[in-house]
Amino acid sequence: DAGVIQSPRHEVTEMGQEVTLRCKPISGHNSLFWYRQTMMRGLELLIYFNNNVPIDDSGMPEDRFSAKMPNASFSTLKIQPSEPRDSAVYFCASSFVPSEQYFGPGTRLTVT
Amino acid sequence: AQSVTQPDIHITVSEGASLELRCNYSYGATPYLFWYVQSPGQGLQLLLKYFSGDTLVQGIKGFEAEFKRSQSSFNLRKPSVHWSDAAEYFCAVGLSGGGADGLTFGKGTHLIIQP
Repeated sequence: DAGVIQSPRHEVTEMGQEVTLRCKPISGHNSLFWYRQTMMRGLELLIYFNNNVPIDDSGMPEDRFSAKMPNASFSTLKIQPSEPRDSAVYFCASSFVPSEQYFGPGTRLTVT
Repeated sequence: AQSVTQPDIHITVSEGASLELRCNYSYGATPYLFWYVQSPGQGLQLLLKYFSGDTLVQGIKGFEAEFKRSQSSFNLRKPSVHWSDAAEYFCAVGLSGGGADGLTFGKGTHLIIQP
């Protein structure tokens, strides 16, 4: 298996622009997670899905952030409009409940 | 809410020496505990996990960890480190096996290996 696939690997954008991060989970996995990693706050859970349904989005920082999972093989995390404080590495992870999570390589987002 | 503390931000160890990375958690029930490793520019790789049963768990790359309920700890150990072990190590706690809900991570310990 190719593992969790994230795209793009690097994204540089200007403040105010819309950013869309993409994730393809491991085939057969039924849970998907979005995390954000910053120097100040470490790794934080943003949102997770079970069987394509959002279960807990309490970690989403504000309304500028939204996530969707239209099918079992694809998820997006969108930031609109983006701000410099959104600069971070965003990780997607998937699992086959109740086993452990497998992480993607991450997307490094820089907002200037 | 659960929390994880990794008291050591950086640790420097000589190659071939033993290693112990500390992790303390706060959670009302028996947690599910994990150690992940992150190499520069990479994602997180699972080293080992504790769900129940034997409190000493073996993982990949020669790592092991011991769950001590009385101390709320889950320290990671390796008897002899290799230069390739230099990385960031994260302890995490989950309410389930880690697959059904999100994980809470510690801030990480940066391991430096001296030749």
